[in-house]
Amino acid sequence: KQEVTQIPAALSVPEGENLVLNCSFTDSAIYNLQWFRQDPGKGLTSLLLIQSSQREQTSGRLNASLDKSSGRSTLYIAASQPGDSATYLCAVEGQKLVFGQGTRLTINP
Amino acid sequence: EAQVTQNPRYLITVTGKKLTVTCSQNMNHEYMSWYRQDPGLGLRQIYYSMNVEVTDKGDVPEGYKVSRKEKRNFPLILESPSPNQTSLYFCASSRRTGLYGYTFGSGTRLTVV
Repeated sequence: KQEVTQIPAALSVPEGENLVLNCSFTDSAIYNLQWFRQDPGKGLTSLLLIQSSQREQTSGRLNASLDKSSGRSTLYIAASQPGDSATYLCAVEGQKLVFGQGTRLTINP
Repeated sequence: EAQVTQNPRYLITVTGKKLTVTCSQNMNHEYMSWYRQDPGLGLRQIYYSMNVEVTDKGDVPEGYKVSRKEKRNFPLILESPSPNQTSLYFCASSRRTGLYGYTFGSGTRLTVV
């Protein structure tokens, strides 16, 4: 059974810092990994999708990497801004889509 | 705009009163699914549909029904809601599983009293 873990559960940093969010998964037989952002009480917004054959994807200040063999992914956020405050979820798609519990990120002005 | 639309956004109902949460996507996606999100439990899949007239149970299907009569619509039916079904519900769709990622709706916050 696939298990997805995100560490830390919460993170608070000052504006402007670069930061890394971590996601690990137990079964490396995956099709892809997707990072989402969720604002309080709102829906999930897709940030980046990495196919199993890819090593990384970039969108603006976001960069996501995938190491399938070690069961790890990281989401790198450069030059963080208060508007980046949200919960970040990673989801791994194998036989089905399995989510981590998320990292609640707070960027302090 | 490509999107998944859920209605209603908020719903308060009483125990036992049948309700339907609608989900519609305008992207011609084959795959659709329903999730519930609860504190400490994360997102759990309720039901999914690989295509029209093809549905299957997810991890927590008890107390729910779905149908997929048209490609764009995938309603979630609670025939006799109970307080333990109070949750935040999300509908999602994908062009094809394993390749294209998922698009999620804005969510429906359901309270059963």
